[in-house]
Amino acid sequence: LAKTTQPISMDSYEGQEVNITCSHNNIATNDYITWYQQFPSQGPRFIIQGYKTKVTNEVASLFIPADRKSSTLSLPRVSLSDTAVYYCLVGEDGGSYIPTFGRGTSLIVHP
Amino acid sequence: GAGVSQSPRYKVAKRGQDVALRCDPISGHVSLFWYQQALGQGPEFLTYFQNEAQLDKSGLPSDRFFAERPEGSVSTLKIQRTQQEDSAVYLCASSTSMGQETQYFGPGTRLLVL
Repeated sequence: LAKTTQPISMDSYEGQEVNITCSHNNIATNDYITWYQQFPSQGPRFIIQGYKTKVTNEVASLFIPADRKSSTLSLPRVSLSDTAVYYCLVGEDGGSYIPTFGRGTSLIVHP
Repeated sequence: GAGVSQSPRYKVAKRGQDVALRCDPISGHVSLFWYQQALGQGPEFLTYFQNEAQLDKSGLPSDRFFAERPEGSVSTLKIQRTQQEDSAVYLCASSTSMGQETQYFGPGTRLLVL
């Protein structure tokens, strides 16, 4: 059962780059790494997904080292609106994906 | 296009009352998930449907919780004889297929049991 560990909270300032690292030592060969963002009173929203190396989209980048035991979500030049909780998920093995969110990382961006 | 919708958005129930929470997934999405999110916690998996088949209900906390998706589209989560510990946000998500596909979440139903 793949399990993830993330920092409980992080603080940053507008315009800075924010990196949130997630540990998943027991990741299985077929597992992907997915990040979601959740604002208060809303459901989580997909940010990015990757399997290895680096993935980039218009919102974020995801860095995954060769051993895949961790991953880092990178948010470039954050703004106040990036204040949210960020969840790292790893797919379970066996073809039946039961998403496990954990507590996530609460990011607060200060002016 | 329309996203996942849930109703009601807020529900206040007296302890012992039955409640029914509705989820309208994105049209054509095969998979549908229900989650429970307590204050300050991440969403916790309750149950999962592929079309009308409930493939996993391992996360349902007790036999008071029941979910159905009879025609493979709209789903209802029913909680019988509500207890105070059932107070939480109930989230519904849908995706195009099984596996590690992107899930699209609704806004949730906030349930308060007094």
